[in-house]
Amino acid sequence: VLLQESGPGLVKPSQTLSLTCTVSGGSITSHYWSWIRQTPGKGLEWIGYLSYSGSTNYNPSLTSRVTMSLDTSKNHFSLKLTSVTAADTAIYYCARGKASPDYWGQGTLVTVSS
Amino acid sequence: DIQMTQSPSSLSASVGDTVTITCQASQDITISLNWFQQKPGKAPKLLIYDASNLETGVPSRFSGSGSGTDFTFTISSLQPEDIATFYCQQSDNLPPTFGGGTKVEIK
Repeated sequence: VLLQESGPGLVKPSQTLSLTCTVSGGSITSHYWSWIRQTPGKGLEWIGYLSYSGSTNYNPSLTSRVTMSLDTSKNHFSLKLTSVTAADTAIYYCARGKASPDYWGQGTLVTVSS
Repeated sequence: DIQMTQSPSSLSASVGDTVTITCQASQDITISLNWFQQKPGKAPKLLIYDASNLETGVPSRFSGSGSGTDFTFTISSLQPEDIATFYCQQSDNLPPTFGGGTKVEIK
């Protein structure tokens, strides 16, 4: 199973961060899928997960700004984070699993800056 | 959120040494504890799940133990390729939370 994140590497403050994770070598309809981010200051932070049925669970610290969705026709799932600030600058990883992620994407650096 | 406290934050050891990292949870998490290895520029890799179960393909020199709030991760014979930062993570309560990491270097 391979996961690959894609999306803009630079987002302006107050705008929306949008990332997609494309899954190959396995079906997106048979597992849970997560987004996790990493910063030098806060370390690894779980953003949330979505199930193969589309149900979601978000970190309470981010829930007002996060939306996750999946597209079974493209075998990918997505993350949207609204009203970003510099504090959202991080490496964003997609992963398989809801609390014990066993496969991860390589990660993508997203910088929030004007 | 459950707080995960790892120690030490860094260590230096010789090839062949036994390395031990501890992780303490702020409340009882039974055995819902994972260990990850992260090499520079790479994503974390799951090594151990449910406190002591080795993920498929992970060398047997890695091991984990513990339950409740106190956990231990051990490398029985440190190898040069083990240089990395190791993280514990609890999967008992949402949101899953990670320890601050232990950077392992070769002396």
